[in-house]
Amino acid sequence: SSELTQDPAVSVALGQTVRISCQGDSLRSYYASWYQQKPGQAPVLVIYGRNNRPSGIPDRFSGSNSGNTASLTITGAQAEDEADYYCNSRDSSANEVVFGGGTKLTVL
Amino acid sequence: QLQLQESGPGLMKPSETLSLTCTVSGGSISSSSYYWGWIRQPPGKGLVWIGSFSSGGSTYYNASLKSRVTISGDTSKNQFSLKLSSVTAADTAVYYCARHFWYSTSYYFDYWGPGILVTVSS
Repeated sequence: SSELTQDPAVSVALGQTVRISCQGDSLRSYYASWYQQKPGQAPVLVIYGRNNRPSGIPDRFSGSNSGNTASLTITGAQAEDEADYYCNSRDSSANEVVFGGGTKLTVL
Repeated sequence: QLQLQESGPGLMKPSETLSLTCTVSGGSISSSSYYWGWIRQPPGKGLVWIGSFSSGGSTYYNASLKSRVTISGDTSKNQFSLKLSSVTAADTAVYYCARHFWYSTSYYFDYWGPGILVTVSS
């Protein structure tokens, strides 16, 4: 099955912009979705499709895709954005879904 | 507002069969637009998709778990369930149920239950 690769950890200064990436062959064919997970809580969908935000997700969150890489960008990171972020997409060769390993975002 | 809630045992012994139920409110699992899925997260680790089903009759599983997993739905109760046989300590995890959009080029989980911790220990 396909894999999605994420950097284990990323940090950003308060108010600055950060990009979290997700790489995988399946991303050439399918969009990634992105989830924010805070300790002890269920994941929350923040980006899906080409670049769509569910209701209630701040517009500082945006998504983009290029080749085999999907990116989640937080423009003007806030303290409450500190969390684990996971990407997710369909496997390119099977009827399966795969998650990336997750990126721990620290807001300094 | 759609809500999902997992229920089931919190503690199991090795070799037993885990049975979890997800109760859906504020929407119907009979909707042809969505699948309904299970995801798990071992302590301190990442998310792992277990499988998803639709009331239209399609069910897909993670190949690494397929031999032990069954996912099914009960439209009369608006519930869907997960059965995982022959559990071991490696199956210790928080188990989440979620609504799964599965179409064309977009695949995402938009509503999640709070999760239930299942511990496998002798």
